[in-house]
Amino acid sequence: DIQMTQSPSSLSASVGDRVTITCQASQDISNYLNWYQQKEGKAPKLLIYDASNLDTGVPPRFSGSGSGTDFTFTISSLQPEDIATYYCQQYDNLPLTFGGGTKVEIK
Amino acid sequence: QVQLVESGGGVVQPGRSLRLSCAASGFTFSSYGMHWVRQAPGKGLEWVAVISYDGNKKYYADFVEGRFTISRDNSKNTLYLQMNSLRAEDTAVYYCAKDQYSSSYFQHWGQGTLVTVSS
Repeated sequence: DIQMTQSPSSLSASVGDRVTITCQASQDISNYLNWYQQKEGKAPKLLIYDASNLDTGVPPRFSGSGSGTDFTFTISSLQPEDIATYYCQQYDNLPLTFGGGTKVEIK
Repeated sequence: QVQLVESGGGVVQPGRSLRLSCAASGFTFSSYGMHWVRQAPGKGLEWVAVISYDGNKKYYADFVEGRFTISRDNSKNTLYLQMNSLRAEDTAVYYCAKDQYSSSYFQHWGQGTLVTVSS
């Protein structure tokens, strides 16, 4: 199985800050990497697919990059509504696997 | 618009069974693979199983160990997860999710149904 190591597990930042989350795969997964946002008590929401493609309606302050084993998710200017837990997910191989999540809070 | 509505969750004793359902609408159900993903209380997301659009191919996470069966009824636009020999560690919110293509990513999720395994 492909292991997805996400860091940090939590972070606290101020409104307007740039926030970066990393995700490392245990083997080459090309660009088969997605990012989800999950707010408390809600189902996850797809933000980015194929490492860098923004899903429809997702604000452009969210972005993703990377390929192979190392990936980055960025919020260019943190907003209060971005408080959530963020997960990466690989789909190079079954079983699909998720990173452990990054909880983003406002300082 | 795409809607996925899970049902069937509840409190069940260890070793017992439960069947979850996911009613789909707003898209051609018979054309898409479907998945179950779970989330234990306070924990991360964990993929459970996938079934192909026609029901002919199924794949499970290792922890299922033959206890769960994913199935679908395309005439009823409904996905199922039969869970047998339930354990305390199966306690979680179970989400159904629509595959975008070939077990890739999930644009659409249900609201989840909570399964609690406890004596």
